[in-house]
Amino acid sequence: DIVMTQSPTSMSISVGDRVTMNCKASQNVGSNVDWYQQKTGQSPKLLIYKASNRYTGVPDRFTGSGSGTDFTFTISNMQAEDLAVYYCMQSNSFTFGSGTKLEIK
Amino acid sequence: EVQLQQSGAELGKPGTSVKLSCKVSGYNIRNTYMHWVNQRPGKGLEWIGRIDPANGNTIYAEKFKSKATLTADTSSNTAYMQLSQLKSDDTAIYFCAMGVYYVMDAWGQGASVTVSS
Repeated sequence: DIVMTQSPTSMSISVGDRVTMNCKASQNVGSNVDWYQQKTGQSPKLLIYKASNRYTGVPDRFTGSGSGTDFTFTISNMQAEDLAVYYCMQSNSFTFGSGTKLEIK
Repeated sequence: EVQLQQSGAELGKPGTSVKLSCKVSGYNIRNTYMHWVNQRPGKGLEWIGRIDPANGNTIYAEKFKSKATLTADTSSNTAYMQLSQLKSDDTAIYFCAMGVYYVMDAWGQGASVTVSS
Protein backbone atom coordinates (compact mmCIF):
# COMPACT_ATOMS: atom_id res chain seq x y z
CA ASP A 1 0.00 0.00 0.00
CA ILE A 2 1.11 3.56 -0.66
CA VAL A 3 1.54 5.47 2.59
CA MET A 4 1.02 9.23 2.64
CA THR A 5 2.99 10.86 5.45
CA GLN A 6 1.52 14.26 6.17
CA SER A 7 3.14 16.98 8.28
CA PRO A 8 2.74 18.77 10.54
CA THR A 9 -0.09 17.22 12.53
CA SER A 10 -1.32 20.61 13.66
CA MET A 11 -0.47 24.26 13.32
CA SER A 12 -1.36 27.31 15.39
CA ILE A 13 -1.75 30.23 13.05
CA SER A 14 -3.00 33.79 12.86
CA VAL A 15 -5.32 35.33 10.30
CA GLY A 16 -3.21 36.61 7.44
CA ASP A 17 -0.44 34.05 7.91
CA ARG A 18 1.02 31.96 5.14
CA VAL A 19 0.44 28.28 5.89
CA THR A 20 2.37 25.39 4.35
CA MET A 21 1.90 21.68 4.89
CA ASN A 22 3.48 18.67 3.24
CA CYS A 23 2.74 15.15 2.13
CA LYS A 24 5.30 12.54 1.28
CA ALA A 25 4.29 9.42 -0.62
CA SER A 26 6.04 6.10 0.07
CA GLN A 27 6.41 5.59 -3.67
CA ASN A 28 6.11 7.61 -6.84
CA VAL A 29 2.50 8.66 -7.44
CA GLY A 30 3.19 11.06 -10.29
CA SER A 31 0.89 14.07 -9.95
CA ASN A 32 -1.99 12.06 -8.55
CA VAL A 33 -2.40 13.87 -5.26
CA ASP A 34 -5.47 15.80 -4.17
CA TRP A 35 -6.06 18.04 -1.19
CA TYR A 36 -9.27 18.16 0.83
CA GLN A 37 -10.58 20.51 3.48
CA GLN A 38 -12.81 19.20 6.24
CA LYS A 39 -14.48 21.58 8.64
CA THR A 40 -15.88 20.29 11.92
CA GLY A 41 -19.05 18.30 11.39
CA GLN A 42 -18.90 18.54 7.60
CA SER A 43 -17.99 16.33 4.69
CA PRO A 44 -14.59 16.77 3.03
CA LYS A 45 -14.38 19.30 0.23
CA LEU A 46 -12.00 18.98 -2.73
CA LEU A 47 -9.69 21.98 -3.05
CA ILE A 48 -6.77 20.87 -5.24
CA TYR A 49 -6.62 17.98 -7.71
CA LYS A 50 -3.69 16.46 -9.55
CA ALA A 51 -1.22 18.19 -7.27
CA SER A 52 -1.64 21.75 -8.49
CA ASN A 53 -5.06 22.30 -10.05
CA ARG A 54 -7.51 24.43 -8.14
CA TYR A 55 -11.03 22.98 -8.16
CA THR A 56 -13.97 25.06 -9.37
CA GLY A 57 -14.78 27.93 -7.06
CA VAL A 58 -11.76 27.49 -4.79
CA PRO A 59 -10.12 30.81 -3.85
CA ASP A 60 -6.70 31.45 -5.31
CA ARG A 61 -5.10 31.72 -1.88
CA PHE A 62 -5.09 27.90 -1.94
CA THR A 63 -2.28 26.37 -4.01
CA GLY A 64 -0.67 22.96 -4.40
CA SER A 65 2.60 21.81 -5.89
CA GLY A 66 4.80 18.77 -6.21
CA SER A 67 5.18 15.53 -8.11
CA GLY A 68 6.60 12.09 -7.59
CA THR A 69 6.76 11.64 -3.82
CA ASP A 70 6.78 15.16 -2.36
CA PHE A 71 3.80 17.49 -2.30
CA THR A 72 3.05 20.85 -0.71
CA PHE A 73 -0.18 22.68 0.03
CA THR A 74 -0.19 26.38 0.82
CA ILE A 75 -2.71 28.91 2.03
CA SER A 76 -1.20 32.27 1.17
CA ASN A 77 -3.33 34.53 3.37
CA MET A 78 -5.07 32.55 6.08
CA GLN A 79 -8.69 33.51 6.70
CA ALA A 80 -10.81 32.62 9.71
CA GLU A 81 -13.07 30.48 7.54
CA ASP A 82 -10.07 28.33 6.59
CA LEU A 83 -9.92 26.76 10.03
CA ALA A 84 -10.25 23.07 9.28
CA VAL A 85 -8.36 19.82 8.93
CA TYR A 86 -6.62 19.38 5.58
CA TYR A 87 -5.93 15.99 4.06
CA CYS A 88 -3.83 14.90 1.13
CA MET A 89 -4.88 11.82 -0.81
CA GLN A 90 -3.12 9.86 -3.51
CA SER A 91 -5.59 8.84 -6.18
CA ASN A 92 -3.63 5.95 -7.72
CA SER A 93 -4.88 3.54 -5.08
CA PHE A 94 -6.61 5.95 -2.70
CA THR A 95 -4.88 6.51 0.61
CA PHE A 96 -5.20 9.62 2.72
CA GLY A 97 -2.63 11.40 4.78
CA SER A 98 -3.30 11.69 8.50
CA GLY A 99 -4.40 15.30 8.27
CA THR A 100 -3.16 18.72 9.38
CA LYS A 101 -5.34 20.61 11.81
CA LEU A 102 -5.24 24.39 11.66
CA GLU A 103 -5.99 26.23 14.88
CA ILE A 104 -6.06 29.89 15.77
CA LYS A 105 -3.07 31.06 17.78
CA GLU B 1 -27.05 20.37 -8.80
CA VAL B 2 -25.53 17.05 -7.85
CA GLN B 3 -26.61 15.76 -4.44
CA LEU B 4 -25.72 12.62 -2.51
CA GLN B 5 -28.26 11.80 0.19
CA GLN B 6 -27.15 9.17 2.67
CA SER B 7 -29.34 7.08 4.91
CA GLY B 8 -29.64 7.83 8.59
CA ALA B 9 -27.73 6.82 11.67
CA GLU B 10 -27.47 3.14 12.44
CA LEU B 11 -27.08 1.34 15.74
CA GLY B 12 -25.88 -2.23 15.33
CA LYS B 13 -25.06 -4.98 17.76
CA PRO B 14 -21.70 -6.73 17.59
CA GLY B 15 -21.72 -9.57 15.09
CA THR B 16 -24.61 -8.17 13.03
CA SER B 17 -24.67 -6.29 9.72
CA VAL B 18 -25.85 -2.89 8.57
CA LYS B 19 -26.53 -1.61 5.08
CA LEU B 20 -26.02 2.06 4.22
CA SER B 21 -27.42 3.78 1.17
CA CYS B 22 -26.37 6.78 -0.88
CA LYS B 23 -28.97 8.13 -3.29
CA VAL B 24 -27.67 10.41 -6.02
CA SER B 25 -29.67 13.12 -7.74
CA GLY B 26 -28.58 15.32 -10.62
CA TYR B 27 -26.10 12.84 -12.09
CA ASN B 28 -26.27 9.34 -13.53
CA ILE B 29 -24.13 7.04 -11.40
CA ARG B 30 -23.47 4.86 -14.47
CA ASN B 31 -21.06 7.58 -15.55
CA THR B 32 -18.84 7.54 -12.47
CA TYR B 33 -17.34 5.48 -9.66
CA MET B 34 -18.92 5.50 -6.23
CA HIS B 35 -16.45 5.54 -3.35
CA TRP B 36 -16.92 4.94 0.36
CA VAL B 37 -14.74 6.50 3.05
CA ASN B 38 -14.88 6.23 6.82
CA GLN B 39 -13.84 8.38 9.72
CA ARG B 40 -13.55 6.93 13.20
CA PRO B 41 -14.27 9.26 16.10
CA GLY B 42 -11.59 11.91 16.27
CA LYS B 43 -9.57 10.26 13.51
CA GLY B 44 -8.73 10.83 9.85
CA LEU B 45 -10.24 9.68 6.58
CA GLU B 46 -9.88 6.11 5.38
CA TRP B 47 -10.78 4.83 1.93
CA ILE B 48 -12.88 1.66 1.98
CA GLY B 49 -13.45 0.92 -1.69
CA ARG B 50 -15.23 1.86 -4.86
CA ILE B 51 -17.75 0.40 -7.27
CA ASP B 52 -18.34 0.98 -10.96
CA PRO B 53 -22.16 1.05 -11.04
CA ALA B 54 -22.19 0.42 -14.79
CA ASN B 55 -20.89 -3.13 -14.40
CA GLY B 56 -20.72 -3.80 -10.66
CA ASN B 57 -16.93 -4.10 -10.57
CA THR B 58 -15.49 -3.36 -7.15
CA ILE B 59 -12.11 -2.61 -5.60
CA TYR B 60 -11.55 -2.67 -1.85
CA ALA B 61 -8.81 -1.54 0.45
CA GLU B 62 -7.15 -4.69 1.80
CA LYS B 63 -8.41 -4.25 5.37
CA PHE B 64 -12.03 -3.93 4.24
CA LYS B 65 -12.19 -6.88 1.86
CA SER B 66 -14.03 -9.07 4.34
CA LYS B 67 -15.84 -6.20 6.06
CA ALA B 68 -17.56 -4.18 3.36
CA THR B 69 -19.66 -5.16 0.37
CA LEU B 70 -20.41 -2.47 -2.21
CA THR B 71 -23.36 -2.66 -4.56
CA ALA B 72 -25.28 -0.22 -6.74
CA ASP B 73 -28.74 -0.01 -8.27
CA THR B 74 -28.65 2.07 -11.42
CA SER B 75 -32.44 2.05 -11.73
CA SER B 76 -32.74 4.03 -8.51
CA ASN B 77 -29.37 5.78 -8.88
CA THR B 78 -28.35 4.52 -5.45
CA ALA B 79 -25.16 3.01 -4.07
CA TYR B 80 -25.04 0.73 -1.06
CA MET B 81 -22.47 -0.50 1.41
CA GLN B 82 -23.07 -3.43 3.72
CA LEU B 83 -20.82 -3.80 6.76
CA SER B 84 -20.74 -7.28 8.21
CA GLN B 85 -19.65 -8.86 11.50
CA LEU B 86 -19.79 -5.52 13.25
CA LYS B 87 -17.26 -4.80 15.99
CA SER B 88 -16.80 -1.75 18.19
CA ASP B 89 -13.96 -0.70 15.88
CA ASP B 90 -16.51 -0.20 13.07
CA THR B 91 -18.07 2.70 14.94
CA ALA B 92 -17.50 5.62 12.58
CA ILE B 93 -18.99 8.10 10.15
CA TYR B 94 -19.25 6.61 6.67
CA PHE B 95 -19.23 8.87 3.63
CA CYS B 96 -20.10 8.10 0.04
CA ALA B 97 -18.35 10.15 -2.63
CA MET B 98 -18.24 10.26 -6.41
CA GLY B 99 -16.60 12.04 -9.28
CA VAL B 100 -18.55 14.55 -11.33
CA TYR B 101 -15.66 16.54 -12.81
CA TYR B 102 -12.93 14.79 -10.86
CA VAL B 103 -12.41 11.66 -8.75
CA MET B 104 -14.15 12.52 -5.45
CA ASP B 105 -15.58 15.97 -5.86
CA ALA B 106 -19.08 15.29 -4.58
CA TRP B 107 -19.74 13.86 -1.11
CA GLY B 108 -22.68 12.71 0.92
CA GLN B 109 -23.37 14.18 4.33
CA GLY B 110 -22.12 11.09 6.13
CA ALA B 111 -23.91 8.36 8.07
CA SER B 112 -23.08 7.45 11.62
CA VAL B 113 -22.72 3.80 12.55
CA THR B 114 -22.50 2.93 16.23
CA VAL B 115 -21.73 -0.61 17.30
CA SER B 116 -22.89 -1.39 20.78
CA SER B 117 -24.58 -4.21 22.62
